[in-house]
Amino acid sequence: EAGVVQSPRYKIIEKKQPVAFWCNPISGHNTLYWYLQNLGQGPELLIRYENEEAVDDSQLPKDRFSAERLKGVDSTLKIQPAELGDSAVYLCASSSPSGGGTSYNEQFFGPGTRLTVL
Amino acid sequence: GENVEQHPSTLSVQEGDSAVIKCTYSDSASNYFPWYKQELGKGPQLIIDIRSNVGEKKDQRIAVTLNKTAKHFSLHITETQPEDSAVYFCAASKGDYKLSFGAGTTVTVRA
Repeated sequence: EAGVVQSPRYKIIEKKQPVAFWCNPISGHNTLYWYLQNLGQGPELLIRYENEEAVDDSQLPKDRFSAERLKGVDSTLKIQPAELGDSAVYLCASSSPSGGGTSYNEQFFGPGTRLTVL
Repeated sequence: GENVEQHPSTLSVQEGDSAVIKCTYSDSASNYFPWYKQELGKGPQLIIDIRSNVGEKKDQRIAVTLNKTAKHFSLHITETQPEDSAVYFCAASKGDYKLSFGAGTTVTVRA
């Protein structure tokens, strides 16, 4: 079974330019997450989707970041315009449908996109 | 929100020795504690997890212990091998989707 696929793996851009990252989750996984991982830190959640609905985007900087998951499968995360501080690894993860409020389903992570903003 | 602290930030061990990583959490409502391993150029991968109704869990050479009263949990790797070299992250959750990660421990196993 294929894992979470992300592209591109690396991206170098100049500040103020736009950039987009793409993620294809594991087949059958309704829940999709975008995380930000700064160097030497653990991942931080940016947004979570249940199917095509963004159910938690409280940590997404909406002035410059946007995301979409139009058909409830693959997803795109966009930054416009990029700033120097956006240099980081952007991870996508997916999980199978939750079993309820007290259950937890393992999140499977993709390899990430390493963004460098010059 | 939940705050997870992880120590040490780096750990170097001789092959065959044991490695121990410790984490503390702040929110007493947290009840699920996974550990992830991240190799260079890859995403984090779940290696073991523990729920708050269990004090210890073991899977071959790795084990996790949980002390709910003190709000800390630990990862133990025995008989370390070169392939154990990676960054390890602890995390805490209230049993829903939201994971709060520690800052990570870089483990180096010396041959």
